[in-house]
Amino acid sequence: ETGVTQSPTHLIKTRGQQVTLRCSSQSGHNTVSWYQQALGQGPQFIFQYYREEENGRGNFPPRFSGLQFPNYSSELNVNALELDDSALYLCASSRPQGGADTQYFGPGTRLTVL
Amino acid sequence: AQTVTQSQPEMSVQEAETVTLSCTYDTSESDYYLFWYKQPPSRQMILVIRQEAYKQQNATENRFSVNFQKAAKSFSLKISDSQLGDAAMYFCAYRSREAAGNKLTFGGGTRVLVKP
Repeated sequence: ETGVTQSPTHLIKTRGQQVTLRCSSQSGHNTVSWYQQALGQGPQFIFQYYREEENGRGNFPPRFSGLQFPNYSSELNVNALELDDSALYLCASSRPQGGADTQYFGPGTRLTVL
Repeated sequence: AQTVTQSQPEMSVQEAETVTLSCTYDTSESDYYLFWYKQPPSRQMILVIRQEAYKQQNATENRFSVNFQKAAKSFSLKISDSQLGDAAMYFCAYRSREAAGNKLTFGGGTRVLVKP
């Protein structure tokens, strides 16, 4: 167990709806990264938050947005859901240590879009 | 942009024997980190081993070791004395040390099957 938690575990939505996924980082970690993992593929970087500011973004459209809170927990919001958004969403927390930080992952949220 | 390639979709190994997983990557950077993560059916991604590109010595963690060939941009993982609990998806990942942020770039994964 890494100490990173995510909720909910599973979620079913219909196309066009909006969804919010939540992540609690490991104690002492101030950075949260979000990844999308389609079935049978490796995770793809969505974005990262460091001290409540976005600190890098992957090749995802603006309908993917996020927040980080003062306690360093984070949310991933996806608007106007599409069928291709069906995936496992992983968050990872870390604490920058001069570049030597390692990301620790949560168990993920499985999103199904019908 | 960096890319990571894992050419073996699936590998099978007998319990107690050794298996080696391949990973190649493409980058123009000289300073970076490489990782192997394990993802069992429970889905949680677990760090197996980490290698810093400026260190020539190959990293080792118990039964897991890597063969890091910087010039060839190759980073293979050897699992010795394989156990049933080693069965999982294994992902190779790259992280820049030069660029801002610390995003991981993953390969497509290799499924490891362990036969009793």
